[in-house]
Amino acid sequence: LAKTTQPISMDSYEGQEVNITCSHNNIATNDYITWYQQFPSQGPRFIIQGYKTKVTNEVASLFIPADRKSSTLSLPRVSLSDTAVYYCLADGSSNTGKLIFGQGTTLQVKP
Amino acid sequence: EPEVTQTPSHQVTQMGQEVILRCVPISNHLYFYWYRQILGQKVEFLVSFYNNEISEKSEIFDDQFSVERPDGSNFTLKIRSTKLEDSAMYFCASIWGGSSYNEQFFGPGTRLTVL
Repeated sequence: LAKTTQPISMDSYEGQEVNITCSHNNIATNDYITWYQQFPSQGPRFIIQGYKTKVTNEVASLFIPADRKSSTLSLPRVSLSDTAVYYCLADGSSNTGKLIFGQGTTLQVKP
Repeated sequence: EPEVTQTPSHQVTQMGQEVILRCVPISNHLYFYWYRQILGQKVEFLVSFYNNEISEKSEIFDDQFSVERPDGSNFTLKIRSTKLEDSAMYFCASIWGGSSYNEQFFGPGTRLTVL
């Protein structure tokens, strides 16, 4: 389980691309990087997971450099509804193990 | 799309009372979890459950807490004697376990208010 560090908050405007970077300097060989999203008064929701290079799905892209000490979640053309807290997790102990959340990044999208 | 459901959405109780929070995980999932989130704080792991027994629990999950899967569909969290500091959102989550992704599916939560 690697400690992760991400910005406390970010602001953006509708239509912009948002990149949230997470630092995980002590990531272990078997750790995967996973991002969750949490809207106010709702449970977290899985967004994307990756091990290295680039992963893309219908919601976001995840960029992981070769040294894997950081990762960047990229949200294309955000809308007001993307206002949420985004959590970066780095853990490889199990694909069924507990999730350890940090404080996350609060993204505020403005009109 | 299948989803995790939780009841009630909001529970108000007096300090010292017992509460039971209920969850219905996604039907083919095998691993179940409870998390809590105190207002303004991070989501904290409480307990994981697999094959009808606790697989892991946190320091928060003391003797006042218990979990049960009484009928193969419901998954409950019981707090025997609530304290003021138990006031929080409680989230249930489940996962199938056969995927390489640790994609836990969370319910909408139960807001517990202890007076």
